Amino acid sequence: GQNIDQPTEMTATEGAIVQINCTYQTSGFNGLFWYQQHAGEALTFLSYNVLDGLEEKGRFSSFLSRSKGYSYLLLKELQMKDSASYLCAVRPYGQNFVFGPGTRLSVLP
Amino acid sequence: GAVVSQHPSRVICKSGTSVKIECRSLDFQATTMFWYRQFPKQSLMLMATSNEGSKATYEQGVEKDKFLINHASLTLSTLTVTSAHPEDSSFYICSARDPPGTGVVEQFFGPGTRLTVL
Repeated sequence: GQNIDQPTEMTATEGAIVQINCTYQTSGFNGLFWYQQHAGEALTFLSYNVLDGLEEKGRFSSFLSRSKGYSYLLLKELQMKDSASYLCAVRPYGQNFVFGPGTRLSVLP
Repeated sequence: GAVVSQHPSRVICKSGTSVKIECRSLDFQATTMFWYRQFPKQSLMLMATSNEGSKATYEQGVEKDKFLINHASLTLSTLTVTSAHPEDSSFYICSARDPPGTGVVEQFFGPGTRLTVL
């Protein structure tokens, strides 16, 4: 199976930078995804990594190291609206998405 | 990106009744759709994979007779919660992906349906 781990909760200050880590155990996959979810709302796609390295998309960046089974989502210039849950998910070969437990981020003024 | 819709967005029903939730892919054909449930402050758990024109594949521990899935067309899958009980109250989310061979690996998620069983 796949074990995916994320910190349960994080707190950061408006304007700061926060890094949300995700570790996983799987033999191979078709990519690692990050999603944002505000309470009771739909998932919003943030990023997709299939190769090692950093993918940058505005204030959001995602990093992947396949050899280490590790990814992180980096949020810069935090805004209050960034308070949400952030879920990483992997899609193993021939299988469906497996989601991590999610990290609830609280951005304080 | 592709759009997936769900209807209804919220539903409240009495214990013992059945509730149908629709999931539609609006601008692409989805041979495969997925149904998830999410309890408060928890992550998404895959319930079943819905395949157009064939039976759904259920995850371990999910009662197929309780959660009926029908994928009658390439743009519509329905989940029916039969004889609903308060413990079925949850956020139900569907997703869809492009057919194999399109090169698209992303799944597109619907906005979710919040079911409350009284």
